[in-house]
Amino acid sequence: GQQVMQIPQYQHVQEGEDFTTYCNSSTTLSNIQWYKQRPGGHPVFLIQLVKSGEVKKQKRLTFQFGEAKKNSSLHITATQTTDVGTYFCAGSAAGNKLTFGGGTRVLVKP
Amino acid sequence: NAGVTQTPKFQVLKTGQSMTLQCAQDMNHNSMYWYRQDPGMGLRLIYYSASEGTTDKGEVPNGYNVSRLNKREFSLRLESAAPSQTSVYFCASSEYRAEQFFGPGTRLTVL
Repeated sequence: GQQVMQIPQYQHVQEGEDFTTYCNSSTTLSNIQWYKQRPGGHPVFLIQLVKSGEVKKQKRLTFQFGEAKKNSSLHITATQTTDVGTYFCAGSAAGNKLTFGGGTRVLVKP
Repeated sequence: NAGVTQTPKFQVLKTGQSMTLQCAQDMNHNSMYWYRQDPGMGLRLIYYSASEGTTDKGEVPNGYNVSRLNKREFSLRLESAAPSQTSVYFCASSEYRAEQFFGPGTRLTVL
């Protein structure tokens, strides 16, 4: 079946620094979504990418969908304490079903 | 709008007991989902319902049953709970290939 892998599993970041988390799928995706989950909370949708090579920005967050539509990345610049949480990518190969990656847990050192 | 609501928020069961987790959405979405999230891990799809009257197995359906009662409600039943089913259960809803909206979750412990 479809598998989605995320690296790194953990990311310790100094406040103000940049970091990137990566998402790789075993199959070609029709779209990829990113979610953020705060500790003790539920996943909250951030963005969806559909086109090959697509790049979207949300303030300090930059999302990219690979040319082959099998990988994606999330880059955060000037990390803040509000960025703490787990970031999940979730891919769909067909239909409505999403396969979630294991997530990247972000801890910010002030 | 309440979005997606789930009951109960917390539950402790003994091995072999049964229970039903309730989920309702008020966004008129066609699709609904049940996921489980084990500590420190991602979400795994248990069952989903693409539209009212249809249900399909996800990645980890064994030990669970679902009912799409109407367009708003999608319940998850554990017939005979096992310790391996200790987890946080999230319900979600969406339109076709759109963002999923998650409920607050049910934290289930099976002793």
